[in-house]
Amino acid sequence: EADIYQTPRYLVIGTGKKITLECSQTMGHDKMYWYQQDPGMELHLIHYSYGVNSTEKGDLSSESTVSRIRTEHFPLTLESARPSHTSQYLCASSEKGAFYGYTFGSGTRLTVV
Amino acid sequence: AQSVAQPEDQVNVAEGNPLTVKCTYSVSGNPYLFWYVQYPNRGLQFLLKYITGDNLVKGSYGFEAEFNKSQTSFHLKKPSALVSDSALYFCAVEGGANNLFFGTGTRLTVIP
Repeated sequence: EADIYQTPRYLVIGTGKKITLECSQTMGHDKMYWYQQDPGMELHLIHYSYGVNSTEKGDLSSESTVSRIRTEHFPLTLESARPSHTSQYLCASSEKGAFYGYTFGSGTRLTVV
Repeated sequence: AQSVAQPEDQVNVAEGNPLTVKCTYSVSGNPYLFWYVQYPNRGLQFLLKYITGDNLVKGSYGFEAEFNKSQTSFHLKKPSALVSDSALYFCAVEGGANNLFFGTGTRLTVIP
C-alpha cells in the first residue's frame, strides 16, 4: 500500500474560489512531484521539488503554485479556480528520483463549475 | 527533448492470449525507460524499468518489456492476459533533471 496520501479525493468547486490540494508522504522522500492528468489520460508534470524550500515548474505551464516547507508535505494551490482547471491531479514522491521509481497517491479529481 | 509515444489509445485482447502494449521513444543519449499501470480511481504503480543491460526486462505481475535500440521501441508484453490486467498503461522516459515524462497512455481491456 502506498504511503502517499492525497486529499480530497474528489472536489467540486465554483469558479473564482481558492483551493489547496493536499499531498503528504510518510516515507521521508526528498523528491516530490505534481502531475495533471487530462480527461483523455495524458499526464503532464506541473511542479516538482527536490527538498525543503525547493520548488520548480514542470513542462506544462500551470497557474497553480506549490510550497515545500516540510519534507512530508507538498500542497498545491489554485488562487482562483477556473473550469479549465478541471482535471485529475496526481502527487508522487521518490527517494532518489526517476531511476528508482515513483510512488503515486490516488489523486484528486477536481471539477470547477 | 526526451519523449515517448504510445500509438494505440486502446488495446483489446482475449483472456489467456498474449498481450503487447506499444511504446516508442525519442531521446538524446542513453534512454531510461519505464512502464507504469493505473487501475481505476488509483494512482500509478511502477511495473518495470530499463536502465542498461539485458534488453528483456521482467517486472511485476508477470509483465516484461523488450528494449529494441534499432527500432527505438520498448513494448510491454505478457504471455497470457488476465481480466485483472485491464487498466491504463503508461510508458515513461527520464527526461533530464531526473524527472519522468509520460506517454499518452493505452487503455488495455482483457475480454473474458
